[in-house]
Amino acid sequence: SQQGEEDPQALSIQEGENATMNCSYKTSINNLQWYRQNSGRGLVHLILIRSNEREKHSGRLRVTLDTSKKSSSLLITASRAADTASYFCATSVGGNKLVFGAGTILRVKS
Amino acid sequence: DAGVIQSPRHEVTEMGQEVTLRCKPISGHDYLFWYRQTMMRGLELLIYFNNNVPIDDSGMPEDRFSAKMPNASFSTLKIQPSEPRDSAVYFCASSPGGADTQYFGPGTRLTVL
Repeated sequence: SQQGEEDPQALSIQEGENATMNCSYKTSINNLQWYRQNSGRGLVHLILIRSNEREKHSGRLRVTLDTSKKSSSLLITASRAADTASYFCATSVGGNKLVFGAGTILRVKS
Repeated sequence: DAGVIQSPRHEVTEMGQEVTLRCKPISGHDYLFWYRQTMMRGLELLIYFNNNVPIDDSGMPEDRFSAKMPNASFSTLKIQPSEPRDSAVYFCASSPGGADTQYFGPGTRLTVL
């Protein structure tokens, strides 16, 4: 089974609204990363949060990490049509591998 | 930098044929990863290299799959013989530090008829 599981599987919002996606994982991690994938393209790294961090910001993105609950959330504020994409969390559990979740499909309607 | 380069972008082949996918990582990155993405199984790590040496190939589905990295700027993933169930998008990614930020190529969409 997946180490990281995103929730919801799909999300549809209006432009200007905030979008929140969640990721749960099973084992202890070194870091957790979020990636975006536009249709037909490769994944693009958004943000990395280490296991000893609780919150991180990057532009309109805010990531939180709760290691006690083994969960993370990605908040996109003031969403735009260009934010329409799939969003994946990936966990580093040791070694140099990342394990990716199944992703959340975000659709932002203009 | 041009980013990670993959070729071809699309490949259509018939069952039983050999398929070779190519990847040029970002210069200076010590780690190279091959992934496969399908609707059913999501994004799966097939194999990764560190300084051109294969470190973990536990994700390679079977002996039909092989990967090489003859030098720091080139890697191949070969499927021989190919089967329809190998149809997927194959991504190459490189990283300066292993499980830190990975930089993905645009992918190769493989269709095996």
